[in-house]
Amino acid sequence: EAQVTQNPRYLITVTGKKLTVTCSQNMNHEYMSWYRQDPGLGLRQIYYSMNVEVTDKGDVPEGYKVSRKEKRNFPLILESPSPNQTSLYFCASRTLDRINYGYTFGSGTRLTVV
Amino acid sequence: KQEVTQIPAALSVPEGENLVLNCSFTDSAIYNLQWFRQDPGKGLTSLLLIQSSQREQTSGRLNASLDKSSGRSTLYIAASQPGDSATYLCAVLSGAGSYQLTFGKGTKLSVIP
Repeated sequence: EAQVTQNPRYLITVTGKKLTVTCSQNMNHEYMSWYRQDPGLGLRQIYYSMNVEVTDKGDVPEGYKVSRKEKRNFPLILESPSPNQTSLYFCASRTLDRINYGYTFGSGTRLTVV
Repeated sequence: KQEVTQIPAALSVPEGENLVLNCSFTDSAIYNLQWFRQDPGKGLTSLLLIQSSQREQTSGRLNASLDKSSGRSTLYIAASQPGDSATYLCAVLSGAGSYQLTFGKGTKLSVIP
């Protein structure tokens, strides 16, 4: 089944403790992206990647890092999490071969930083 | 910078009614527009994708239209059911070279039995 898999689904952590949220897709998509969703603010893009070793900032990159060493994986790294990073996070991917195809989203990771 | 607005923010209708959700965007240079459904605390389910060259798409009781020149899209839901209760998100793909998907804040739909 074609899918984007995020782990973990739920995470509670303490301020300052480094964490990684993993994202993997099995569709050989070139483009991958991370979003966060907050009440009243909607979904906002954090980082995106057009291909292996190519990443760029989205609208709200502060406090986050990403890497794209393999085509299928795009982990989101919070080096020193803070309470304002408590949010619902989504990973998404798409092909760049056919621009009019849509995005596929993961099931989300609910992160709480205390 | 692309901005997407959805009106209304919330809508409550009795079961069986037909309804329309609205989406507007500021930059008409889009590749496509996608409507998603999101249940509380859950992921995004793609409902319909309209390409920039298309005027509408249909899937079952759902019909989405696109007027690119005026920056508007509507999602029509026929014969609404309680199971349609969810938040509906409109997203446009734009940005030459960056292919950014910009979301509206959604319309929260409640269908009352």
